[in-house]
Amino acid sequence: QKEVEQDPGPLSVPEGAIVSLNCTYSNSAFQYFMWYRQYSRKGPELLMYTYSSGNKEDGRFTAQVDKSSKYISLFIRDSQPSDSATYLCAMSVSAGGTSYGKLTFGQGTILTVHP
Amino acid sequence: NAGVMQNPRHLVRRRGQEARLRCSPMKGHSHVYWYRQLPEEGLKFMVYLQKENIIDESGMPKERFSAEFPKEGPSILRIQQVVRGDSAAYFCASSDGVRTTEAFFGQGTRLTVV
Repeated sequence: QKEVEQDPGPLSVPEGAIVSLNCTYSNSAFQYFMWYRQYSRKGPELLMYTYSSGNKEDGRFTAQVDKSSKYISLFIRDSQPSDSATYLCAMSVSAGGTSYGKLTFGQGTILTVHP
Repeated sequence: NAGVMQNPRHLVRRRGQEARLRCSPMKGHSHVYWYRQLPEEGLKFMVYLQKENIIDESGMPKERFSAEFPKEGPSILRIQQVVRGDSAAYFCASSDGVRTTEAFFGQGTRLTVV
């Protein structure tokens, strides 16, 4: 069993839709949860991170972490064609009060937002 | 402030040759992480380095692969005697070691073994 599971999709939605992306994990030691966006042939770009459980909002993006269920989500409101990319969840354990730095990634979900 | 610089962006090697991938971290960053992305797969951790030290190499294959981050100059990921299965995109990321949640990735090196 993989430590982090993510449905690879692909996911296709119309412009303006609310997108829900999800990951599950098995390692209860994970404390930091990140979402990266990766455009084709580019490096991953950090969208947001969350420490432990709870919600975090940044513009059209909302990240949720439910540690009791080992489940994290990223919601994208009012999706735009420019949001079309691969979305990767990533996690790390804590070390010295911060993320250890070594990330365990999900497989990535391919998202297409069509006009 | 330049981002994480990786070169070359594309590298073609014949089976049995050596591949050297370079990564210059962001200015002020002293921690470097290397990841490999195989087709249709997510990124897999390989190695975590700090200047002149290997912190964690739990993801590195036991043979043919090595990494260094010298006091001066870029971090180098070295693959000896490449095989077709080494064909992948190799990404490095850097952080300042304090705000490690804010690791920034380079554009990657795409290695093709023919």
